[in-house]
Amino acid sequence: QLQLQESGPGLVKPSETLSLTCTVSGGSISSTSYYWGWIRRPPGKGLEWIGTIYYTGTTYYNPSLKSRVTISVDTSKNQFSLKLSSVTAADTAVYYCAKHPIQGTTLIGYFDNWGQGTLVTVSS
Amino acid sequence: DIVMTQSPDSLAVSLGGRATINCKSSQSILYNSNNKNYLAWYQQKPGQPPKLLIYWASTRESGVPDRFSGSGSGTDFTLTINSLQAEDVAVYYCQQYYANLYTFGQGTKLEIK
Repeated sequence: QLQLQESGPGLVKPSETLSLTCTVSGGSISSTSYYWGWIRRPPGKGLEWIGTIYYTGTTYYNPSLKSRVTISVDTSKNQFSLKLSSVTAADTAVYYCAKHPIQGTTLIGYFDNWGQGTLVTVSS
Repeated sequence: DIVMTQSPDSLAVSLGGRATINCKSSQSILYNSNNKNYLAWYQQKPGQPPKLLIYWASTRESGVPDRFSGSGSGTDFTLTINSLQAEDVAVYYCQQYYANLYTFGQGTKLEIK
């Protein structure tokens, strides 16, 4: 059973870079059957897609965050990571990593497996 | 961006009753070449991640009880929960994946009356 687990600092100072890692277990991040994504949910608000990556390094980002986001993959560690620069209080949220299915070779944009999520607070 | 709007924002239903949650997209999310609606539904309980319930607007994810059903096409979609159980208390989200900018509805909070 594929499992995802987020890790990283729970507190980040304003203007600094938020860094999170998602570790995949029970399967290979290099599988041709999945894409991998990041989603967040600010307190009291709904879900926001941040970006998606394939094991080859191909990425797709939410245009509203694209200038500040970098998603990367480390196949040797079976992990993928999120970096969000120049954070403000508005970036305080529960951050989730999740898996997309693939149909043939085509990314399908829903998320069928999620990590538990990690709360990141932006505060000095 | 495709804006997803859910209604109502919250609802209370009696145990054993039926809950109906609506989701409207700002443009059609029906892909004509394969006749599929690019719409998913999720359930999120407190302290838990979202759980996929429905994809392609009406296909139930493996293991999801058949009390949950999805319907609709184009821009108007519905999640129906029959025979409501206490464990169904949650926030429900719709999501479109028609465009490469995936967007979610604002969520509908379901409670027991």
